[in-house]
Amino acid sequence: AQKVTQAQTEISVVEKEDVTLDCVYETRDTTYYLFWYKQPPSGELVFLIRRNSFDEQNEISGRYSWNFQKSTSSFNFTITASQVVDSAVYFCALSGTLNNNDMRFGAGTRLTVKP
Amino acid sequence: DTAVSQTPKYLVTQMGNDKSIKCEQNLGHDTMYWYKQDSKKFLKIMFSYNNKELIINETVPNRFSPKSPDKAHLNLHINSLELGDSAVYFCASSPWDSLKTQYFGPGTRLLVL
Repeated sequence: AQKVTQAQTEISVVEKEDVTLDCVYETRDTTYYLFWYKQPPSGELVFLIRRNSFDEQNEISGRYSWNFQKSTSSFNFTITASQVVDSAVYFCALSGTLNNNDMRFGAGTRLTVKP
Repeated sequence: DTAVSQTPKYLVTQMGNDKSIKCEQNLGHDTMYWYKQDSKKFLKIMFSYNNKELIINETVPNRFSPKSPDKAHLNLHINSLELGDSAVYFCASSPWDSLKTQYFGPGTRLLVL
């Protein structure tokens, strides 16, 4: 069974603060993929990053960074110097190799960045 | 230029009606999906098609029937609409390889009155 838990339902920060969104996953697959998607107020789902289970290197893309730790089954997402435009619902997702591309999403974390 | 497109964007209809949502992707992907997002933003997969063949069919009422005329299109037909069908429906596509990244359409907001 696959499961993704995003324990933070809502987070509110003030602009320029750093914020970390947590994601914990469960899977029996030895090879799997983790994703983050952003859903801004306009409603579309925007792909942010994909990580495979063999690559535990952290990744940084501008103000975004991701920390993948297999030992704790976590794939956390940090936004540095948050901006109002970062306000959105962020989804963590998991896809295993044995399940026909089935992707399981977490419940999402609603981030509000106040000016 | 749109990678994954859906029509219509909004759909308001009465209970008991039958409606369809269309999805098209121009990414050359082999696999397409339908997801339902409820009012609490929870995203759940409904169907997945690979090269016009159904490969995932989650527990979805049989009033929902996907149709894939070719691998670039996956339409969703819903019979006898119920109030609980009100949601946002997303279409997505991905290549059938190890990358697995799914790209989503803009969503169709369905409201059943």
